[in-house]
Amino acid sequence: KNEVEQSPQNLTAQEGEFITINCSYSVGISALHWLQQHPGGGIVSLFMLSSGKKKHGRLIATINIQEKHSSLHITASHPRDSAVYICAVPNSGGSNYKLTFGKGTLLTVNP
Amino acid sequence: NAGVMQNPRHLVRRRGQEARLRCSPMKGHSHVYWYRQLPEEGLKFMVYLQKENIIDESGMPKERFSAEFPKEGPSILRIQQVVRGDSAAYFCASSPVQDTGNTIYFGEGSWLTVV
Repeated sequence: KNEVEQSPQNLTAQEGEFITINCSYSVGISALHWLQQHPGGGIVSLFMLSSGKKKHGRLIATINIQEKHSSLHITASHPRDSAVYICAVPNSGGSNYKLTFGKGTLLTVNP
Repeated sequence: NAGVMQNPRHLVRRRGQEARLRCSPMKGHSHVYWYRQLPEEGLKFMVYLQKENIIDESGMPKERFSAEFPKEGPSILRIQQVVRGDSAAYFCASSPVQDTGNTIYFGEGSWLTVV
């Protein structure tokens, strides 16, 4: 089974700051997911990436397959970015749906 | 193109009753996955279904839980004789094809409270 560690667990930032959330996993994977969940809300898939870097608006996700590490960056953070960010990877065996989820990083962006 | 639709969003059941949670995948998606998020815990995989087939139910509790995805209609997660420990958020996700690196799309979740 793949183990997923996220850091930090909680993050408080001021509006406009650059945010970085980290994710490490234990077993080689085919793809990694970054998800966003607002309190009491649904889950939005932000990125699925298997190599390199992806960008969507103010969000950037990077992955280093050799080091088994991924980062999610938010540029020019805004209070509406406040949410839980979850990293997820397939369990060993490779099936992309049988995900192991990190415990999440609670981000609070203050105005 | 509507996203993954789950209903009900919130469901309250007394101990011993049955809970049925429904999930309509995105249009064109034939693969459905259910995940459970217990309070203060991370998400965990429960079951993977295709139309009329259960592909992998290794994450489902052995008793009281069942899932189906009929030829017509939504996927249903059924919990019989609910207990307080079943209180959780249940998320459904769908994808067009499995294991090809496609993104999976999550629904808004169904929050079950057992009183």
